[in-house]
Amino acid sequence: ETGVTQTPRHLVMGMTNKKSLKCEQHLGHNAMYWYKQSAKKPLELMFVYSLEERVENNSVPSRFSPECPNSSHLFLHLHTLQPEDSALYLCASSQDLASGGTNTGELFFGEGSRLTVL
Amino acid sequence: AQKVTQAQTEISVVEKEDVTLDCVYETRDTTYYLFWYKQPPSGELVFLIRRNSFDEQNEISGRYSWNFQKSTSSFNFTITASQVVDSAVYFCALSGVSNFGNEKLTFGTGTRLTIIP
Repeated sequence: ETGVTQTPRHLVMGMTNKKSLKCEQHLGHNAMYWYKQSAKKPLELMFVYSLEERVENNSVPSRFSPECPNSSHLFLHLHTLQPEDSALYLCASSQDLASGGTNTGELFFGEGSRLTVL
Repeated sequence: AQKVTQAQTEISVVEKEDVTLDCVYETRDTTYYLFWYKQPPSGELVFLIRRNSFDEQNEISGRYSWNFQKSTSSFNFTITASQVVDSAVYFCALSGVSNFGNEKLTFGTGTRLTIIP
């Protein structure tokens, strides 16, 4: 079983649709992240959850709504998206330093969900 | 504010050649960490290395080596005797320590490396 699993791998949606991206980590980590990767741009950190609480929200539009029901699962709910939201959405996990764990600073990434908004 | 610059957008070399990927960073933190990640065609970013700002020793791991120079704010990555499997996008990243303990990474735009057989 891979460490971080993302589904679906590919998603095409219209601007009026509602869909969700799912991320599951099997590494026992307690922090999870959503990143957006657009062509020719740096990876953009969108949200961070630590111990199931949202600790970072980088001015992301409200049409993106994260949910972290437990330390192993992270969702990104999508509604009324725009074509410029088309990108690769990457989920990652790590062990939170604040919990006293040993953190090498390494993020473990999933393979991403390629989103196309028509 | 933190910033990572990878000026090389794309590089192509013939197999077995050596290749160096450049990374220049900006930060006001006195303690920070530098990373390299590899993104193969499958999509997931794979961690390669982490260095802290107090350790300027160069590191070698097999065919990979890293040259950290604080004086020039650079953290360059060299692959010797390149192989086709090295073809990927490589990201340099920088972090301080956020107020809750997790390290927030600032990524560069990546360098797409193509190894020609």
